[in-house]
Amino acid sequence: QVQLVESGGGVVQPGGSLRLSCAASGFTFRSYDMHWVRQAPGKGLEWVTFIRYDESKSQYADSVKGRFTISRDNSKNTLYLHMNSLRAEDTAVYYCAKPTYSTSGHFEHWGQGTLVTVSS
Amino acid sequence: EIVLTQSPGTLSLSPGERATLSCRASQSVSGSYLVWYQQIPGQAPRLLIYGASIRAPGIPDRFSGSGSGTDFTLTISRLEPEDFAVYYCQYHGSSIFTFGPGTKVDLK
Repeated sequence: QVQLVESGGGVVQPGGSLRLSCAASGFTFRSYDMHWVRQAPGKGLEWVTFIRYDESKSQYADSVKGRFTISRDNSKNTLYLHMNSLRAEDTAVYYCAKPTYSTSGHFEHWGQGTLVTVSS
Repeated sequence: EIVLTQSPGTLSLSPGERATLSCRASQSVSGSYLVWYQQIPGQAPRLLIYGASIRAPGIPDRFSGSGSGTDFTLTISRLEPEDFAVYYCQYHGSSIFTFGPGTKVDLK
């Protein structure tokens, strides 16, 4: 069955950097776009970024553009989120999400999330 | 920019009652790109409905979606205890992905 396992969260100071990983299994990873979605404590869902299955395209929410970079290693079935210049408002649970179909925009499978806390 | 508004913010109901949740888009959107999720506290979201009215695999038929243009509805015909949760609508189109603020369905 499909499994998405995020890791790499933790506490980081404002201005710091962090790299999140999402290990995927149970499906043909290289055939699917992949997304990151976050949720601040007690708040709603916010889409962060996506990367095309073949790395030909990526897109970012305005709130993270220029600071976050999404990447993937299809040989390792792993998705990454490189986060720089972190701010307090980036504090959230970060989920990786797999679309229902290769490039669809609705997410049938989600990881359990990894918590990022930006605090001094 | 497409903004999604959900109402009501909170819906207080009893098991067995019918729940009607609204999602309104700031401009007309294709129903093909309108999605509903359920989130139980402490858990990841769960896909319920995509294409405005297509139930995701394994979703009970008490969940139904409808609507077009700017107004979309998620209906839960008879609430079960496990349905008390937060529900989000989402729009995706032209590499734009946006969520509504959510409607909490809680126990009356």
